[in-house]
Amino acid sequence: QQQVKQSPQSLIVQKGGISIINCAYENTAFDYFPWYQQFPGKGPALLIAIRPDVSEKKEGRFTISFNKSAKQFSLHIMDSQPGDSATYFCAASTDSGAGSYQLTFGKGTKLSVIP
Amino acid sequence: DADVTQTPRNRITKTGKRIMLECSQTKGHDRMYWYRQDPGLGLRLIYYSFDVKDINKGEISDGYSVSRQAQAKFSLSLESAIPNQTALYFCATSERGLTGYTFGSGTRLTVV
Repeated sequence: QQQVKQSPQSLIVQKGGISIINCAYENTAFDYFPWYQQFPGKGPALLIAIRPDVSEKKEGRFTISFNKSAKQFSLHIMDSQPGDSATYFCAASTDSGAGSYQLTFGKGTKLSVIP
Repeated sequence: DADVTQTPRNRITKTGKRIMLECSQTKGHDRMYWYRQDPGLGLRLIYYSFDVKDINKGEISDGYSVSRQAQAKFSLSLESAIPNQTALYFCATSERGLTGYTFGSGTRLTVV
């Protein structure tokens, strides 16, 4: 059972354009939604995260938009650069007790930004 | 030095062999995790540990076992490796609560 569905699987964007990656979740208990960025040969690294009490969070060129009623959230990369070319994973989690949680990941989106 | 170190970085092993992947961390985090990454399937949780005395199965634990030797060390074992365990394996750590994970650089395992 896939609890976090991510689309598209791959994305090609021109330099300077906007990259948009979407995720949908099923478990209404999820209350933490991070995005991870992974470069080839490296482990995923936390990029930006949001809690459901806000509808948008922006950090530099990266913005998360969150729609609680639709159970969807998305990553927007403004002014996309070739250095943004990587695989992006959305994830979701809930506090499973004792202050601990486990992340459920989407299947990933391979972003290529072409000059 | 990396905050989360995985060894080996690459390993080729034969079907039926026992193999151990090791993970050590200097973050001082209580929580440690093992994930498997396959193309098109994302990251799937194998096992996780909230402290030295706590071990929990994840989504795909069959064929794997783990050992939490210390707060800083969490190893993953394949008792009898099979080809469909060929994958990229990641160890991760986190603090308590809803915070991000810190991932290691991964171990690429090939079972022939």
